[in-house]
Order: sequence, then structure tokens, then C-alpha cells
Amino acid sequence: SYELTQPPSVSVSPGQAARITCSGDALPKKYFCWYQQKSGQAPVLVIYDDTKRPSGIPERFSGSKSGTMVTLTISGAQVEDDADYYCYSTDSSGNHRVFGGGTKLTVL
Amino acid sequence: QVQLVESGGGVVQPGRSLRLSCAASGFTFSNYAMHWVRQAPGKGLEWVAFLSYDGRTEYYVDSLKGRFTISRDNSKSTLSLQMNSLRADDTAAYYCARDPEGGSFGYPDYWGRGTLVTVSS
Repeated sequence: SYELTQPPSVSVSPGQAARITCSGDALPKKYFCWYQQKSGQAPVLVIYDDTKRPSGIPERFSGSKSGTMVTLTISGAQVEDDADYYCYSTDSSGNHRVFGGGTKLTVL
Repeated sequence: QVQLVESGGGVVQPGRSLRLSCAASGFTFSNYAMHWVRQAPGKGLEWVAFLSYDGRTEYYVDSLKGRFTISRDNSKSTLSLQMNSLRADDTAAYYCARDPEGGSFGYPDYWGRGTLVTVSS
């Protein structure tokens, strides 16, 4: 089955840039999204269609792609950005969707 | 505003069935495709199933195909997930989520708060 690979954890100090990566063989030709999930809460969409931000998501959140890797960048991470982040995409067939394993971002 | 409220979770014995429901409001339910996503305790998100706006196109994660069935009642703005032959590893919070497209198989944008299913004897 298709897999998206994320680092288990990333840690930054407040005000620093946080970068979370996600790799997958089909990513060069497929769209991706990013979700934020705070403890005990439902996930929230923060990036869709590779680079777009939903209404209400701060500008410090951005998405990019290079080859088989996509990156979520939080420019000037805030304490409130402390959460789990998941990438989401599709396999090469387009018939299945998959989440990455998740990355715990610590802003401390 | 968009609201999705899941119900039907609880404790169920292995091998039994359970039906989850998701009540949608704040948008025209019949225009949007829907997803189910689950999350085992302390684990990551797992996409489970998708259903198009008209109920004609469905997709499932391979590991669950044949045991789980997604359906919808557009007259009642309700999404359902029928889960049969439940196993301990089906224990998870189950989330209902809207897809911003109607017929295209896309991504979840709005999510409910989830309902917890515990499979245990």
C-alpha cells in the first residue's frame, strides 16, 4: 500500500521557522494537503491544493513541493502552533487517499 | 456555519456490527462528497472511505473493503458508516468530514468532532 513518510517530531523555539516534510513517490504528480490537530481536537485543514490556505489560516503557514517531497513551513512559529501535523495525498491510481504518519511539532 | 455531528459510537464485542451516523448542517449536504476518517488511540489519522454527492461513487481503504459500507441519505442530510465483523484493531475515533467537491474524489475540509468506537469483549 502507498505510504507518505513524515519525521516523528520537530522542535523549534517561538519565532523560528518550523519545517515539516512529507515524502511519497506519487507526490510529483499529485496534489497534497496539510492538517493540524491539537490535543483532543478534530483536525483542521491548513493547506490544500499544494499551496493554498483556507480562510482563517494565518499567513505564516505555507506549502511547497520539490520532487517527491512536500514541505509545510510555519514562518515564525507561535506557541499556539504546537500540534500534530499530517500530510494527505493520493496514490498513483487516484483511487485511495492516505495520510502521513504525523509529525509532533513542539514550539518551546 | 458548517457543522458535522457524529453519533453511534460505543463499546461493541468483537464480531458484532455497528452503524455510525453523521448529521450535517450549515451547507447543502446533497452538493458535497463526504469522507470517513478514523484515528486509533494515540495513533495517526487513517482515511477510511469516500462517497460522492449522489452516492454513486465510493472508495475504501483496501484493508476495510468488504467489512465497512459508506452511505448517505440526502433527504435527511445524513452520512452513515456500517461496520461489520468488528475487530479490536477497529477501535478508534471515527470522524465524518466534508469534501469541498461534489463528484471529485478530493480531500476533507470540514470535520466533525468524532465518535469513539471501542471493540472489546
